[in-house]
Amino acid sequence: AQKITQTQPGMFVQEKEAVTLDCTYDTSDPSYGLFWYKQPSSGEMIFLIYQGSYDQQNATEGRYSLNFQKARKSANLVISASQLGDSAMYFCAMREVTAYSGAGSYQLTFGKGTKLSVIP
Amino acid sequence: DADVTQTPRNRITKTGKRIMLECSQTKGHDRMYWYRQDPGLGLRLIYYSFDVKDINKGEISDGYSVSRQAQAKFSLSLESAIPNQTALYFCATSEGGYSYEQYFGPGTRLTVT
Repeated sequence: AQKITQTQPGMFVQEKEAVTLDCTYDTSDPSYGLFWYKQPSSGEMIFLIYQGSYDQQNATEGRYSLNFQKARKSANLVISASQLGDSAMYFCAMREVTAYSGAGSYQLTFGKGTKLSVIP
Repeated sequence: DADVTQTPRNRITKTGKRIMLECSQTKGHDRMYWYRQDPGLGLRLIYYSFDVKDINKGEISDGYSVSRQAQAKFSLSLESAIPNQTALYFCATSEGGYSYEQYFGPGTRLTVT
């Protein structure tokens, strides 16, 4: 079973509109972290936002917010007021504390990504 | 200057050749990682290292080896390159603890012909 599922291979949004990118995760570990990264066409991976499993409030970073619904195991990224520069691939990732051989690798497990295109 | 650098940035090599990808970081992090990215598959972990003496296999380590020469340097080798190792390779670093993000290098685009 996939640990991170991003069901939207591609999405379009009008400039200045808000958009939600979906992410669901699967873990039995009570301690985990959820991350979103942006990958523009130039290829680099840019960290956007983090949510810890014990955090009571949804994380926000500027125009980015994370809609964390723990019971549903979802961690959707919301981008407000989309800009042309937001056009990119977006990856959801999870870090489990006791993942991988039970040794706590702290590695990130990534989803397959969502390609966001912002339309002028 | 970038905190995480990778060399080379692009490389074309032939099947059967040995190739090394290098990663250096100035962030002072102990933890370093190598990932590969294939279209439609996201990033997958190849190897990770918690310090110079601690190296571990990731999800897809077959056909790869690594060397942690110093805290700041982590190299990935393809002993005998094959075409399905054509991919974008990323090095990353992080602090300890699961709440810290990983910082990625710019990536190395490797093509095996």
